Amino acid sequence: GENVEQHPSTLSVQEGDSAVIKCTYSDSASNYFPWYKQELGKRPQLIIDIRSNVGEKKDQRIAVTLNKTAKHFSLHITETQPEDSAVYFCAASTNNAGNMLTFGGGTRLMVKP
Amino acid sequence: GAVVSQHPSRVICKSGTSVKIECRSLDFQATTMFWYRQFPKQSLMLMATSNEGSKATYEQGVEKDKFLINHASLTLSTLTVTSAHPEDSSFYICSALFADTQYFGPGTRLTVL
Repeated sequence: GENVEQHPSTLSVQEGDSAVIKCTYSDSASNYFPWYKQELGKRPQLIIDIRSNVGEKKDQRIAVTLNKTAKHFSLHITETQPEDSAVYFCAASTNNAGNMLTFGGGTRLMVKP
Repeated sequence: GAVVSQHPSRVICKSGTSVKIECRSLDFQATTMFWYRQFPKQSLMLMATSNEGSKATYEQGVEKDKFLINHASLTLSTLTVTSAHPEDSSFYICSALFADTQYFGPGTRLTVL
């Protein structure tokens, strides 16, 4: 089955700096890659996703890049703010949709004011 | 749109009792819902996929007789933890599939004494 690895497990940045979180996946058939943000004790919320027919997607301060050849994808957050502090999870699916997601281990992002 | 609720948010029970957790899609119909378990500082582990009108599909290692899932309507799935033990204490989160995206409930924190 699919295996998704996520790095780093913790990331501390200064407010205003950029943050990058990387994930690798094992199943070359994976074609849908969402990112979720989870604040302490709360539900995961979708922040951005990408499908395998594109290499990059942007939404304001958040971007995701995908390298299908290397089987990795990354989340980029620019101009970080304290409210970006949370745990971020990447995931992968083989059916081009949110069905049957395999999640990475999570990255705890701390943005210091 | 795409709001998922979960009830209760917290439950404390004695060892050996059963606990039912409800997951509802409030503003859409969901033929497919998912149940996850999340231990502290860990990722989301898929327990089972719940399909309306049919039996749930359980992940390897998840006991179907212990974690009973019922998806009797297009807006409600229930997870019953039978004969709960302290090791079942965890954060249980459901999600519902809508427009190819998983939307998560707020989670239920189960503590078994």
